[in-house]
Amino acid sequence: QQQVKQSPQSLIVQKGGISIINCAYENTAFDYFPWYQQFPGKGPALLIAIRPDVSEKKEGRFTISFNKSAKQFSLHIMDSQPGDSATYFCAASRDNYGQNFVFGPGTRLSVLP
Amino acid sequence: KAGVTQTPRYLIKTRGQQVTLSCSPISGHRSVSWYQQTPGQGLQFLFEYFSETQRNKGNFPGRFSGRQFSNSRSEMNVSTLELGDSALYLCASSQTASTEAFFGQGTRLTVV
Repeated sequence: QQQVKQSPQSLIVQKGGISIINCAYENTAFDYFPWYQQFPGKGPALLIAIRPDVSEKKEGRFTISFNKSAKQFSLHIMDSQPGDSATYFCAASRDNYGQNFVFGPGTRLSVLP
Repeated sequence: KAGVTQTPRYLIKTRGQQVTLSCSPISGHRSVSWYQQTPGQGLQFLFEYFSETQRNKGNFPGRFSGRQFSNSRSEMNVSTLELGDSALYLCASSQTASTEAFFGQGTRLTVV
């Protein structure tokens, strides 16, 4: 019940295309859902996060869509660029229970020039 | 504003030894959490400290321990190292439990 599932495992997109990564969770107590981007040799960097009281959040080219009833959320990267090539992790936590995130297994995104 | 600083960046240890890793959070952040990242298991939560108290603990054996000092700096210790402990150990800090978490670059531990 603590697991967060993530798909696809890897994704190849042409420059200018839309990258979509999906996540699903089981624990309905989760109420904070961040996405992290990680480049080789670096720690994960927070991209965008959402709480269940909204269905969508947009920041620049990055959008999170959240479906509370289906217990699913997704990351959309519009106008994907080669510089977006990285591994993306979704995560979930219970907001007031500390920073103990449950991470998805990650999606390796490659954006072709 | 300086980010989360982890030292050392790389470590090579022998099986059976112990190791201590250090994390300096962003100034003003009081919560520090630790994660283990491996290719097989991904990112797994180790423990979290807030105001010098361990608030949460993941499913790791007692060989993994940590502490937090009054200046919010944190250390984690792994005793009796095993080959399977080879991983990237990441530290994240946040102001409180419900604010954004920022990760350091990690310490790459190799056990031989």
